[in-house]
Amino acid sequence: DAKTTQPNSMESNEEEPVHLPCNHSTISGTDYIHWYRQLPSQGPEYVIHGLTSNVNNRMASLAIAEDRKSSTLILHRATLRDAAVYYCIPRSETQGGSEKLVFGKGTKLTVNP
Amino acid sequence: GAVVSQHPSRVICKSGTSVKIECRSLDFQATTMFWYRQFPKQSLMLMATSNEGSKATYEQGVEKDKFLINHASLTLSTLTVTSAHPEDSSFYICSARLAGSTRGTQYFGPGTRLLVL
Repeated sequence: DAKTTQPNSMESNEEEPVHLPCNHSTISGTDYIHWYRQLPSQGPEYVIHGLTSNVNNRMASLAIAEDRKSSTLILHRATLRDAAVYYCIPRSETQGGSEKLVFGKGTKLTVNP
Repeated sequence: GAVVSQHPSRVICKSGTSVKIECRSLDFQATTMFWYRQFPKQSLMLMATSNEGSKATYEQGVEKDKFLINHASLTLSTLTVTSAHPEDSSFYICSARLAGSTRGTQYFGPGTRLLVL
């Protein structure tokens, strides 16, 4: 499994953009980059995933570096409900590859009112 | 859509008893479900992968005779912690993958907090 490096914690103010970085320098060419988040005392929640191109959905945007060794999850306007631990998870999408999600320590995001 | 429920949400039991946790996909069918465990201030650790109609695949270090998994239908998987001990106290979380997708997003349940006295 590709190793990831994320900051232990980050802080943001409400209604400001948040950029959550993730380094995954050992990612293979077929691994998608998944982001999940876990609110306090809840199960994780899917946020977004991508392979090479930048991706947008209603929750967030994902910017993937050209060399795919890093990516950034972007919350355009943080709200108090976005306070959570964010996990960046490279995962193989090929047949025969492991479909397991391996959770690292993630980044704990605090949003200040 | 893609809602996963768990029951119970919390359980307290005496040491030596068995506890069953249910994981249900409410609005979709799931051929594969996953069971995770999370200790305080730690990340999720995969315990086992459960496939409908077949035996579960356990991760290294997870005792299959202690953590019994049954995936009898496309919408239900159960985890039974047998002869529970205080060190089994943890947050147990299941997830489910949509039937028919070889890869794809996992949808997580809200978790079950187990306290063994």
